[in-house]
Parts: sequence; C-alpha cells; structure tokens
Amino acid sequence: KQEVTQIPAALSVPEGENLVLNCSFTDSAIYNLQWFRQDPGKGLTSLLLIQSSQREQTSGRLNASLDKSSGRSTLYIAASQPGDSATYLCAVPGGMISSGSARQLTFGSGTQLTVLP
Amino acid sequence: SAVISQKPSRDICQRGTSLTIQCQVDSQVTMMFWYRQQPGQSLTLIATANQGSEATYESGFVIDKFPISRPNLTFSTLTVSNMSPEDSSIYLCSGTAGHPEKLFFGSGTQLSVL
Repeated sequence: KQEVTQIPAALSVPEGENLVLNCSFTDSAIYNLQWFRQDPGKGLTSLLLIQSSQREQTSGRLNASLDKSSGRSTLYIAASQPGDSATYLCAVPGGMISSGSARQLTFGSGTQLTVLP
Repeated sequence: SAVISQKPSRDICQRGTSLTIQCQVDSQVTMMFWYRQQPGQSLTLIATANQGSEATYESGFVIDKFPISRPNLTFSTLTVSNMSPEDSSIYLCSGTAGHPEKLFFGSGTQLSVL
C-alpha cells in the first residue's frame, strides 16, 4: 500500500526566503506525482504534475523535482511571498497504473507554510 | 483544465439530518471522485462516482451513509446521511481531465455538525 509522507509538517519563513518542501513515497513504481496548494477551508489547486519520465517541472517561482528511485520529490519556492502561505500537499497514484491516470491519488498530510511579511 | 463548481461552500447542520452536496464540471471529465478531509488531516477518498451506475466505495465508506449520484458526465452529488459530529469535515469533489491527466478539485464544502 502506497504511503506518502511530507516533512516538515509546518514551516514559517520570512518573506523573500527560498524554501524547500519534501515529499516521500514508499512505492517507487509511480506514474506521476502532483503537488497541490490548499488555502484554509478551501479546495485544492493543482500546482505542478511531474511524469515519471521527468526529473523536474517549473511554473513561475515553483520548481518540483522527482527522484523515483529514492521515492522523493521536492517543491522549491523561490523568493517566497506572504501570498504563498497555504498548505502544500503532494499526491501519487495508489500504485502502478498502466493507464497513467490521476485516479485514486494517495495524499501526504501536507506542509503548512507561513510566509511572514 | 477543468473548472469544478461545488455547493454549498459551507453549512452547519443538526445531528440526524442529511446534506446533499452538488458538483458541476464545466467540461467532460474522465472520472469524478469524492474526498473527505477531516480536521487537521489529509484527504481520504470516499468513492468514485460512476456515470449512470452505483458509485464505487472505498473501505470504510458505505452507500447508506454516503449515497452518490452521477446522472451525466458533468454532474454529481454526495449526500451525507444521518449526520453526527464525527462527520464534520471538508468534502471535496474532484475530476480528472487533460493529457497528461490531472486531478482537479472543487472549492470544497466545509460541514459542521452540531
């Protein structure tokens, strides 16, 4: 059974700092990995999706990397802003899904990020 | 990408009552799912909503407690039946779309049961 772990559980940084969020998963036979952002009491917004054949994906100030062999992914946020304050979750398909679909994702417990002005 | 509208956004309900949450997608999605997020926890999959047939429930979730409908490709409902305070959670509708396929979420329904 796939298990996803995120550390740290919470992180507080001053504005402008670069930071890294970590995600690890137990079953390395994944097809992709997705990072989400969740604002308090709200739904999830998809940030980045990395295919298993890729090593990283970039979107603006966000960069996500994937190392399947070690079962790890990182989300790098450059020049953090107070508006980045949210919970960040990573998720992987429950196991090897040949169709490559995003169905039945297993989520980590998230990292709650606070960026102080 | 897919835009998923979910309502109500929040509700406060009395014990023993039922609440139906609606989910509307702006375009056809491959699959639709319902998740629950209990306070301070991550997301747990409740069920896969199947078009025109009974939903597929995950372990620990049953149809009598969480009846789900999906009459067409772009609409689904989840009912939380005979509610108790333990049902207080955020309920999230989601759907898969795009290539490569991604999971998109509605804005969630924050449910509090008194």
